[in-house]
Amino acid sequence: EDQVTQSPEALRLQEGESSSLNCSYTVSGLRGLFWYRQDPGKGPEFLFTLYSAGEEKEKERLKATLTKKESFLHITAPKPEDSATYLCAVQAVGSSNTGKLIFGQGTTLQVKP
Amino acid sequence: DAGITQSPRHKVTETGTPVTLRCHQTENHRYMYWYRQDPGHGLRLIHYSYGVKDTDKGEVSDGYSVSRSKTEDFLLTLESATSSQTSVYFCAIRAGQNNEQFFGPGTRLTVL
Repeated sequence: EDQVTQSPEALRLQEGESSSLNCSYTVSGLRGLFWYRQDPGKGPEFLFTLYSAGEEKEKERLKATLTKKESFLHITAPKPEDSATYLCAVQAVGSSNTGKLIFGQGTTLQVKP
Repeated sequence: DAGITQSPRHKVTETGTPVTLRCHQTENHRYMYWYRQDPGHGLRLIHYSYGVKDTDKGEVSDGYSVSRSKTEDFLLTLESATSSQTSVYFCAIRAGQNNEQFFGPGTRLTVL
């Protein structure tokens, strides 16, 4: 069964304290791995897509990396405005036509000033 | 902004009543999706559509039906709402260079 597990569930950081969020997945052939950011009361906002092991994507203080079993979202020198829930999702090769995604439960990040 | 709106944004209803949620897109995308989001479960796919009158079930479709009579509108119906359907419902479209999904603002539904 295709599955996505994110850890930790919650993370508290001081402003400027770098850290990483983990997304472990089991899927019958990975078509793509997606990272989203979700602010309270809002819909998820797309951040990155990764397709193959070794791939990296960056956006401001965020960098996403991918291996054959997991993805990491590295947050460098975070600011309070980076506080949000970060969601990871995978698309299996068999779902390429439908675009169906399997989501993890998310990591809620709080960055204190 | 992916041009997705959802209505209503908030709704409180009673057990046993029918409820219809609407998702509207302005960019003519073929694929649309309905998810529910609950604490401890993350986002789970209810139904999706791949064109006008073309729909299919997701992983949690029991108790829900959908319709798509126009490209821009995707309706989610709870025929007889139950308390277990209290949730936040998100609509999404498939778009972008890599066919990623973009989400609407959500509808918070409370079934008493």
